[in-house]
Amino acid sequence: KQEVTQIPAALSVPEGENLVLNCSFTDSAIYNLQWFRQDPGKGLTSLLLIQSSQREQTSGRLNASLDKSSGRSTLYIAASQPGDSATYLCAVEETSGSRLTFGEGTQLTVNP
Amino acid sequence: DAGVIQSPRHEVTEMGQEVTLRCKPISGHDYLFWYRQTMMRGLELLIYFNNNVPIDDSGMPEDRFSAKMPNASFSTLKIQPSEPRDSAVYFCASRRSSGKETQYFGPGTRLLVL
Repeated sequence: KQEVTQIPAALSVPEGENLVLNCSFTDSAIYNLQWFRQDPGKGLTSLLLIQSSQREQTSGRLNASLDKSSGRSTLYIAASQPGDSATYLCAVEETSGSRLTFGEGTQLTVNP
Repeated sequence: DAGVIQSPRHEVTEMGQEVTLRCKPISGHDYLFWYRQTMMRGLELLIYFNNNVPIDDSGMPEDRFSAKMPNASFSTLKIQPSEPRDSAVYFCASRRSSGKETQYFGPGTRLLVL
């Protein structure tokens, strides 16, 4: 059974800092890995999707990497802003069209 | 597009009552997912449909839970009878068939069973 773990569970940084969120998964036979953002009381918003054949994806200040063989992904946020404060969730899809298995999330607070 | 629509947004009910949650997926999406989110267990998949057919319901906690998708634009998740431990936020999500597509989540229904 696939298990997804995220470290740290919570992170507080001053505005402007670059930061890294970590995600690990137990079964490397994945189809893709996705990073989501969840604001309090809201649904999830997709940030980046990395196919299993890819090594990284970038969107603005966000960069996600994938090392399938070691079962790890990182989400890099450059020049953090207070508006980046949210919970970040990592999820893996094992086969096309199948379930997403989510990590517990990292709660990020960026202080002005 | 309006995105995934869920109703109600909040539901408070008493133990033993029937609860029905509703979801309208994004038009053209042929996968629909129901998730439950709690502090203790995080985000868990309950069931998902492809072209209105249930594909995997292994996450449905017990017989008190049932889900239907009578057509491509509507799905329900029913709990009967409800129990306090069912209190959670229930999310519906949809996506297209392409494996390169992400899932789009609705705003969720916050359920409290007293």
